[in-house]
Amino acid sequence: SQQGEEDPQALSIQEGENATMNCSYKTSINNLQWYRQNSGRGLVHLILIRSNEREKHSGRLRVTLDTSKKSSSLLITASRAADTASYFCATEQDTGRRALTFGSGTRLQVQP
Amino acid sequence: DAGVTQSPTHLIKTRGQHVTLRCSPISGHKSVSWYQQVLGQGPQFIFQYYEKEERGRGNFPDRFSARQFPNYSSELNVNALLLGDSALYLCASSLVPGNTIYFGEGSWLTVV
Repeated sequence: SQQGEEDPQALSIQEGENATMNCSYKTSINNLQWYRQNSGRGLVHLILIRSNEREKHSGRLRVTLDTSKKSSSLLITASRAADTASYFCATEQDTGRRALTFGSGTRLQVQP
Repeated sequence: DAGVTQSPTHLIKTRGQHVTLRCSPISGHKSVSWYQQVLGQGPQFIFQYYEKEERGRGNFPDRFSARQFPNYSSELNVNALLLGDSALYLCASSLVPGNTIYFGEGSWLTVV
């Protein structure tokens, strides 16, 4: 079963705009990771945020984590056409099993 | 440095056949995991191996098996293939369980 659920399922914006994707999960976690996937390709790791962290930045990416609400958000600023992809959040649960549980993803389309 | 490498990249099998997928982790990484991604969904955890021992198993039937070799490479085997096994099979590695997980480009399996 899916632990995380991304919202929205699909997002279409113009180049230069910001894109925000949200992720909710159900159980306690050790960390939450965001990945990007271009059509039919492998997953590219973007950011890992640990359960004791609230915010992390990497270039144009900003990730927040609210463990009280069991939610995370990924913000991509000044989007580019090359950002067009599916974005997934994945949680590593606090159960000792070091496996990632993925949501169903947000499909981002950036119009040039 | 080479990332996670998987082979083959694409293959077509007939129902009832057997398939073996191979994965080489990033150099120095001792943890390898396998995920199945059906079209339109997020990846689902199948197995995790660390130091050549199975450390976790997802909700997949016994037709799925895996192993990790002394050089930390891994194989995923699927017996008695079903049409529903058609998917992208992703291998991932990390230095140790709990660290950032890096994915390969995947092996596309089509069962006809």
